[in-house]
Amino acid sequence: EAGVAQSPRYKIIEKRQSVAFWCNPISGHATLYWYQQILGQGPKLLIQFQNNGVVDDSQLPKDRFSAERLKGVDSTLKIQPAKLEDSAVYLCASSLLGTSVTDTQYFGPGTRLTVL
Amino acid sequence: KNQVEQSPQSLIILEGKNCTLQCNYTVSPFSNLRWYKQDTGRGPVSLTIMTFSENTKSNGRYTATLDADTKQSSLHITASQLSDSASYICVVSPNYGGATNKLIFGTGTLLAVQP
Repeated sequence: EAGVAQSPRYKIIEKRQSVAFWCNPISGHATLYWYQQILGQGPKLLIQFQNNGVVDDSQLPKDRFSAERLKGVDSTLKIQPAKLEDSAVYLCASSLLGTSVTDTQYFGPGTRLTVL
Repeated sequence: KNQVEQSPQSLIILEGKNCTLQCNYTVSPFSNLRWYKQDTGRGPVSLTIMTFSENTKSNGRYTATLDADTKQSSLHITASQLSDSASYICVVSPNYGGATNKLIFGTGTLLAVQP
């Protein structure tokens, strides 16, 4: 079974520029998650989609971050404009259901963003 | 406040030796606890998951234990290999009635296995 795909793997931009990340979840997985992982810390949930609807975006900085999940499959996460503190690895994960407490999340390799 | 704390922050062991990583949590109400392995430059991969009623779970050379009364978990690695070098993250799910599968991550223990 193919895993969660993300692109690009690395991105370097200057502050105030815009950037977009793409995620393709495991086929058939209803739930998709975007996490931000700052160096030396555990991942922090930014947004959770159930099919193409938003379940939780309470920690998404909505003044600069936006995300969408097209047709309940692929998803894009955008930052506009970027700040220095946005430098992190952005992880995408998917799970089969998302509503089961034992549902396993499968993570992609992440996109490492550096903001200069 | 729901928190997950891990110790030690980092650990260096020799190949073939055993080690134990610790996790304390204050998440309530508790649903389940997972251990993830994160290789450098990769996403986390699930090793074990334990619910409230389980107190031990094995996955090859990895054995996780859970004491729900003291809110502690440990991950024991037996006969370590160089490929075990990674960050090990303890992740706890609160029980919000099944509405969402929310995960609360610890900051991880960075393990280095040396030859």
